[in-house]
Amino acid sequence: DVKVTQSSRYLVKRTGEKVFLECVQDMDHENMFWYRQDPGLGLRLIYFSYDVKMKEKGDIPEGYSVSREKKERFSLILESASTNQTSMYLCASSLETVINEKLFFGSGTQLSVL
Amino acid sequence: KQEVTQIPAALSVPEGENLVLNCSFTDSAIYNLQWFRQDPGKGLTSLLLIQSSQREQTSGRLNASLDKSSGRSTLYIAASQPGDSATYLCAPDNYGQNFVFGPGTRLSVLP
Repeated sequence: DVKVTQSSRYLVKRTGEKVFLECVQDMDHENMFWYRQDPGLGLRLIYFSYDVKMKEKGDIPEGYSVSREKKERFSLILESASTNQTSMYLCASSLETVINEKLFFGSGTQLSVL
Repeated sequence: KQEVTQIPAALSVPEGENLVLNCSFTDSAIYNLQWFRQDPGKGLTSLLLIQSSQREQTSGRLNASLDKSSGRSTLYIAASQPGDSATYLCAPDNYGQNFVFGPGTRLSVLP
């Protein structure tokens, strides 16, 4: 089975800190995604990547950046954390093909910015 | 822009009942549609993926149907069990890997 691992389950940071959220997948998937999930707003796409060193903005990229130096690892960076970035962050991966592009999710990181 | 709604928002049923969850989407030009399950405080688990050329997919007690032209999908759960209690989300994919998630249906199956 595909395993998508997010480095932290819970994280508490202070306003203005630089925050790194790490995600690793073990099935050689080309595509990787970062979402945030908020009550009443659902899942929203922050950034995604089709390949190493490649990134595309999702629906809400402001305040975030990403890094994909290796195929298996996709990092989300909050350059200067703010309280409105308190949320559940979910990483996902999938194969390249359109026919079989099941999304596999990590367990999530609940980030609190104080 | 694709918009996804799910009805009902919440559902509580006694164990053993068959039930139907509904998903509607505004843009029918989709590649496929996935149904997911999410337990509280956890990530999402993909249950079923229906390609745009298919009408339905089955996995165990789950059956998902797709009517692309009318922008609808349903998830049928047979003989529900307390372990089925979770939030169920649908996500159509319009442009290849561009999934838009519905708000979910929160299901409680009472023993």
